[in-house]
Amino acid sequence: DAKTTQPTSMDCAEGRAANLPCNHSTISGNEYVYWYRQIHSQGPQYIIHGLKNNETNEMASLIITEDRKSSTLILPHATLRDTAVYYCIVRVEAAGNKLTFGGGTRVLVKP
Amino acid sequence: GAGVSQSPSNKVTEKGKDVELRCDPISGHTALYWYRQSLGQGLEFLIYFQGNSAPDKSGLPSDRFSAERTGGSVSTLTIQRTQQEDSAVYLCASSKEGQLYGYTFGSGTRLTVV
Repeated sequence: DAKTTQPTSMDCAEGRAANLPCNHSTISGNEYVYWYRQIHSQGPQYIIHGLKNNETNEMASLIITEDRKSSTLILPHATLRDTAVYYCIVRVEAAGNKLTFGGGTRVLVKP
Repeated sequence: GAGVSQSPSNKVTEKGKDVELRCDPISGHTALYWYRQSLGQGLEFLIYFQGNSAPDKSGLPSDRFSAERTGGSVSTLTIQRTQQEDSAVYLCASSKEGQLYGYTFGSGTRLTVV
């Protein structure tokens, strides 16, 4: 699976949009981009995933560049409860193909 | 159940003792994964179950670690002769096969070896 690079940490103001970047320059054509987050003392939580097209759900939006070498997770109106470690993972969607978590981005939403 | 259930939520054990950690996946989820997370570290894959078989055990750190799954449902992770470096949060996740966005994690078991 392709390696991802994320900033170690970032701060965000409550109520503002949080834009979390992820580089995956070695991604292959059949690899999806997944985002998970882990709030303190909890298990990771699925947020969103995509292949080529931008995606949006009730939690976030995912913007994938045309060359697919990078993506951005957007939390449109960050709240204090969005403080967490956010993981960007790229992998082939296949049976038994486990998720491999990197270091993620530690996001602190400030009042 | 509605989510992945893990028990116990906390376990303190003495070095050298054996421990068993339990995971109850979401009903109907055929895939089950165990991970562990040491303090301040990322998630480390341990083992993957498809039904009752474990086609990927590549993450088990030593032969002191073993896991089984019965009836395609409950899984037990056993650590024999625990060491202090085994202290971590052990997380279980389940999913329908091939549906990674259906990867649901439990809240984990915090294991402390003293």
